[in-house]
Amino acid sequence: GENVEQHPSTLSVQEGDSAVIKCTYSDSASNYFPWYKQELGKRPQLIIDIRSNVGEKKDQRIAVTLNKTAKHFSLHITETQPEDSAVYFCAASRSGGGADGLTFGKGTHLIIQP
Amino acid sequence: GAGVSQSPSNKVTEKGKDVELRCDPISGHTALYWYRQSLGQGLEFLIYFQGNSAPDKSGLPSDRFSAERTGGSVSTLTIQRTQQEDSAVYLCASSPLAGYYEQYFGPGTRLTVT
Repeated sequence: GENVEQHPSTLSVQEGDSAVIKCTYSDSASNYFPWYKQELGKRPQLIIDIRSNVGEKKDQRIAVTLNKTAKHFSLHITETQPEDSAVYFCAASRSGGGADGLTFGKGTHLIIQP
Repeated sequence: GAGVSQSPSNKVTEKGKDVELRCDPISGHTALYWYRQSLGQGLEFLIYFQGNSAPDKSGLPSDRFSAERTGGSVSTLTIQRTQQEDSAVYLCASSPLAGYYEQYFGPGTRLTVT
């Protein structure tokens, strides 16, 4: 089955700087790659996703890039703010997150230093 | 509108007892998922329902785990003869359809097996 590796496990950046979180996946048939944000004590929420037919997607300060050949994808957050502090999970699926669900990485704890 | 709800929010049980966890998805969502989140780990996919049907139960950790969904709505996850390694947060999610839709997560049930 699919295996998703996520790095780093903890990332501390100064407010206003950029943050990058990287994930690799093992199943070349995976075609859907969402990112979820989980604030302390809260439920995970989707922040951005990308399909395999697209190399990059942006939404304001957040962007995701996908390299299908290398089987890795990354989350980029620019101009970080205190409210960006959370645990971020990448995920992959060969069914768009349908019948095989989502295979998640172990998460990155992003800390924004004031 | 109302989001995904789960009950109980916390459950402490003795080893060997059976427990039942409940999920109420967003009204009209046909796809429903169960995940397990252990401390410091990512989310582990357990099972997916399309309507009342679960086409693949291989993600359930052992035969002590079972799940059902009735009326295309409420779902229950049952763990028989609980073990300490079953301790985790059990998250339910729903989406309008399966595949390429955001999965909306519930608040989770924290299960502690003593």
